Amino acid sequence: AQTVTQSQPEMSVQEAETVTLSCTYDTSESDYYLFWYKQPPSRQMILVIRQEAYKQQNATENRFSVNFQKAAKSFSLKISDSQLGDAAMYFCAYRSPYKDDMRFGAGTRLTVKP
Amino acid sequence: DSGVTQTPKHLITATGQRVTLRCSPRSGDLSVYWYQQSLDQGLQFLIQYYNGEERAKGNILERFSAQQFPDLHSELNLSSLELGDSALYFCASSVELGAGRNTIYFGEGSWLTVV
Repeated sequence: AQTVTQSQPEMSVQEAETVTLSCTYDTSESDYYLFWYKQPPSRQMILVIRQEAYKQQNATENRFSVNFQKAAKSFSLKISDSQLGDAAMYFCAYRSPYKDDMRFGAGTRLTVKP
Repeated sequence: DSGVTQTPKHLITATGQRVTLRCSPRSGDLSVYWYQQSLDQGLQFLIQYYNGEERAKGNILERFSAQQFPDLHSELNLSSLELGDSALYFCASSVELGAGRNTIYFGEGSWLTVV
């Protein structure tokens, strides 16, 4: 079964600086999809970015980018120019093309210091 | 706004009781998923329906059940409630079955507190 591991329960960053959140996963599949979701204090799950495993190019969405290392089964999220509104729980998730559910990591709580 | 609507947003009930959580998926989405998030924990997949049929089952207790209706809305029924069932219950939806590439969009969740 696929597992997703986020080894950093908490991270903090100074406003305007850059922070990287780590995620590793375990799978025997060659094709899959990876996601980062943000959960602010409102508890809503907001999609931040997604990556298809067959794409070599790392996904980017404005200040958010990923470093996808398929061989290492690593999928880190980089947040540039951190803003106070980026403070939230961040969840890494894996989705197989053969199964319908999505597996989530335990989450990383990001604090942004002014 | 993800387009996924969940009601009620908050619910307080006593142990032993039964509650029903309702979800309306995004327009055009055929798949509905239910997830449970206990305090300060990750999301646990409960169950998935596609176009009215159960497609995948996760760590769902026997006291819990769900269904998806012809209009594609879904209900999660929780019975014989225990204190440990207190959690945030998310409904999510996506366009098609099993493609994996389709992003799952989440509702705002239903907060259940069992006292």
